[in-house]
Amino acid sequence: DAKTTQPNSMESNEEEPVHLPCNHSTISGTDYIHWYRQLPSQGPEYVIHGLTSNVNNRMASLAIAEDRKSSTLILHRATLRDAAVYYCILRDAGGTSYGKLTFGQGTILTVHP
Amino acid sequence: NAGVMQNPRHLVRRRGQEARLRCSPMKGHSHVYWYRQLPEEGLKFMVYLQKENIIDESGMPKERFSAEFPKEGPSILRIQQVVRGDSAAYFCASSRLGLGEKLFFGSGTQLSVL
Repeated sequence: DAKTTQPNSMESNEEEPVHLPCNHSTISGTDYIHWYRQLPSQGPEYVIHGLTSNVNNRMASLAIAEDRKSSTLILHRATLRDAAVYYCILRDAGGTSYGKLTFGQGTILTVHP
Repeated sequence: NAGVMQNPRHLVRRRGQEARLRCSPMKGHSHVYWYRQLPEEGLKFMVYLQKENIIDESGMPKERFSAEFPKEGPSILRIQQVVRGDSAAYFCASSRLGLGEKLFFGSGTQLSVL
């Protein structure tokens, strides 16, 4: 899986939107962009994924740059329960993808009341 | 529909003992993955199994570690003759299909070696 770069940490206030960036300049045409998050003392949790178009689900939105070299995870209204480590991961849609995820250091999101 | 179940949640072993970590995947999932998270480090892939088969064990240490996913029962990660460096959180994940599917993770087993 190709490498991603994320800021080590970010802070937000409760009820405000949060934009978590991810750079993946070496992304290939068959790589999906996946986001997982890990709450304290828990296993990772799937958040969202996309290929080219922006994606929305009940948890978040994913904005993908036109050249696909970067993406942004958007939490529309942060809550204290969103405090976690957020991982941006590239997954090849080809035959070797399966579940072998390559986790980086992620972004530690702190949410202030 | 219960999620991925791991037990025990915490496991304490003395050096030289064996550790057995169990993982029951979500109902209908036949693909299981084990990951390890060492203190202050990221999650690292260890092994990928389907029922009765090891598909990819490229992340497993060459000695003392083994994994199985029998036809009946949970997947087991076994660590023989544990050492202090084995202390870590071990996470199991499952998916319905192998390719491109999102993974569902358990809450992990925290192994502490005294």
